[in-house]
Amino acid sequence: GDSVTQMEGPVTLSEEAFLTINCTYTATGYPSLFWYVQYPGEGLQLLLKATKADDKGSNKGFEATYRKETTSFHLEKGSVQVSDSAVYFCARLSGGTSYGKLTFGQGTILTVHP
Amino acid sequence: DAGVTQSPTHLIKTRGQQVTLRCSPISGHKSVSWYQQVLGQGPQFIFQYYEKEERGRGNFPDRFSARQFPNYSSELNVNALLLGDSALYLCASSRGSGGAPNEQFFGPGTRLTVL
Repeated sequence: GDSVTQMEGPVTLSEEAFLTINCTYTATGYPSLFWYVQYPGEGLQLLLKATKADDKGSNKGFEATYRKETTSFHLEKGSVQVSDSAVYFCARLSGGTSYGKLTFGQGTILTVHP
Repeated sequence: DAGVTQSPTHLIKTRGQQVTLRCSPISGHKSVSWYQQVLGQGPQFIFQYYEKEERGRGNFPDRFSARQFPNYSSELNVNALLLGDSALYLCASSRGSGGAPNEQFFGPGTRLTVL
């Protein structure tokens, strides 16, 4: 079935460090791919998305490229801030008769220190 | 425009009780999905409704049920609560038009604690 695998966390970085969070997905069909962010005590916010191979999603300095050949959608940011501390979820959207079921990875906790 | 709203924010129940959670989608959105997020894990798909019809169901027991109303709001019901039902329940809405999957927007969730 559909699945998403994220790198094990937690990730702890100093401010202005480079961030990579790895994400791979099962290659059933051509799913849309997403990164969501969850701040403490809140719901999920869409961070960025990509709908087809080689698309690059970007938002707030974060980027991720849809790599069909490696079934990956790694999240990157060149210089993290303390305010980026949150839990990050990679997700794939399956369409067809299910009308868009999201399958999430297990989440990666990011902590950024000043 | 208002985002997805959910009520209540928090809820405490005891084992065996029943609970109803409510969700109002973004104006103009016709599809609502429900997800369960157990602490420390990613959300798990429970149901999706579009135009009042169930379009998808995840791997959850029959104790879980849902419905969508003519105004596209939705309720999730859980009967015979178990300790393991303690979780954050998230509602997401999407346009759901044209037969193609759409971007989903999440509400703040309802935190259910079962004692």
